Amino acid sequence: DTAVSQTPKYLVTQMGNDKSIKCEQNLGHDTMYWYKQDSKKFLKIMFSYNNKELIINETVPNRFSPKSPDKAHLNLHINSLELGDSAVYFCASSQGGQGAKNIQYFGAGTRLSVL
Amino acid sequence: AQSVTQLDSHVSVSEGTPVLLRCNYSSSYSPSLFWYVQHPNKGLQLLLKYTSAATLVKGINGFEAEFKKSETSFHLTKPSAHMSDAAEYFCVVSGYSSASKIIFGSGTRLSIRP
Repeated sequence: DTAVSQTPKYLVTQMGNDKSIKCEQNLGHDTMYWYKQDSKKFLKIMFSYNNKELIINETVPNRFSPKSPDKAHLNLHINSLELGDSAVYFCASSQGGQGAKNIQYFGAGTRLSVL
Repeated sequence: AQSVTQLDSHVSVSEGTPVLLRCNYSSSYSPSLFWYVQHPNKGLQLLLKYTSAATLVKGINGFEAEFKKSETSFHLTKPSAHMSDAAEYFCVVSGYSSASKIIFGSGTRLSIRP
């Protein structure tokens, strides 16, 4: 069983559309994250939720809205997609807490292409 | 404030020779440090972690890293490179809790020559 799974793996869409990426973890972790990886492989954290509560919210356009229906799921909804949103988006989870419990486990990524 | 710098964007070594990927960090408190590997079109996999225990950390696939506080470094090494090691490597610094900021380095692409 995949520990952190994201769907879809690939997403090709037109500018202006609204799309969602789903993430589920079966590790029993309390904390989940969304990252964006640009074309130069640079990874930046976007959001983090702990037990369904937002704990990290980096400077991200408000077109991006994370939703956590329960602690095993953290979905990312993007409104009015723009060309610059094209990237690979990674979901991750960790136990939460201190030190080694902060190790993050990553999904395989969702490659978003906005045309 | 925290930051992490990977000193080389690309490292190329011959198969069977040692690997050194350099990482320097800056943190105003005791950090947690990680190395992740990303193979082409794949997600990120944890190689090893430092969380204030032993300063020499052993990871998977023969990699290890040494935390040197005096040099603010956490370089990744492997005695003998294998073709399957070709990938992108990320050094990561984090505070002690899950609410702390997590900063990724810009990545080092490791190429292995036959």
